[in-house]
Amino acid sequence: DVVMTQSPLTLPVTLGQPASISCRSSQSLVDSYGNTYLNWFQQRPGQSPRRLIYKVSNRDSGVPDRFSGSGAGTDFTLKISRVEAEDVGVYYCMQGTHWPAWTFGQGTKVEIK
Amino acid sequence: EVQLVQSGAEVKKPGESLKISCQDSGHSFANSWIGWVRHIPGRGLEWMGMIYPSDSDTRYSPSFQGHVTMSVDKSINTAYLQWNTLRASDTAIYYCTRQFDYWGQGTLVTVSS
Repeated sequence: DVVMTQSPLTLPVTLGQPASISCRSSQSLVDSYGNTYLNWFQQRPGQSPRRLIYKVSNRDSGVPDRFSGSGAGTDFTLKISRVEAEDVGVYYCMQGTHWPAWTFGQGTKVEIK
Repeated sequence: EVQLVQSGAEVKKPGESLKISCQDSGHSFANSWIGWVRHIPGRGLEWMGMIYPSDSDTRYSPSFQGHVTMSVDKSINTAYLQWNTLRASDTAIYYCTRQFDYWGQGTLVTVSS
């Protein structure tokens, strides 16, 4: 299976300040057609997961533009330009390239300092 | 608005069987993949597999192949996740998702003697 490694595992942030989460895969996530299926999910406390970003950098409908995704190959990043209180939760990257064993990262817990 | 409504919490003993459900209120149930994700608090999310209701094409993650069965009843827009022999390690919250766009509220399964 492709191993997804996130860092940091816990991210204390100050409201209004930027935050960044790294995700690395053990194999390239580029498929034979040149597509890269790397998603980012947010799970707020007590809630179901919600996809924020698909195919590396595409924001889902309704996702604030303070969230952005970037990267290529095996290295990916989720950035929050200015953290708000509602952004507290656990963030997961997930690869959907290597079928059928799609895999999630361990999760990064974002908390307010 | 599309809603995925999951069945209620379950408490079972090791060795027992269980079938949980996920009903889709949308109009595209048959032509959208329904996936299942396991969440063990403190251990993150795990992709279990998915099913295409139109033809019941099912793809299991190797980690879950042979231990769970996914099925659908198109007449009532409902997907199912089933275990024939539960283990204590199956204790988790199980989410259904329609192509990651929509998520159920989760079903807590507790397996304990």
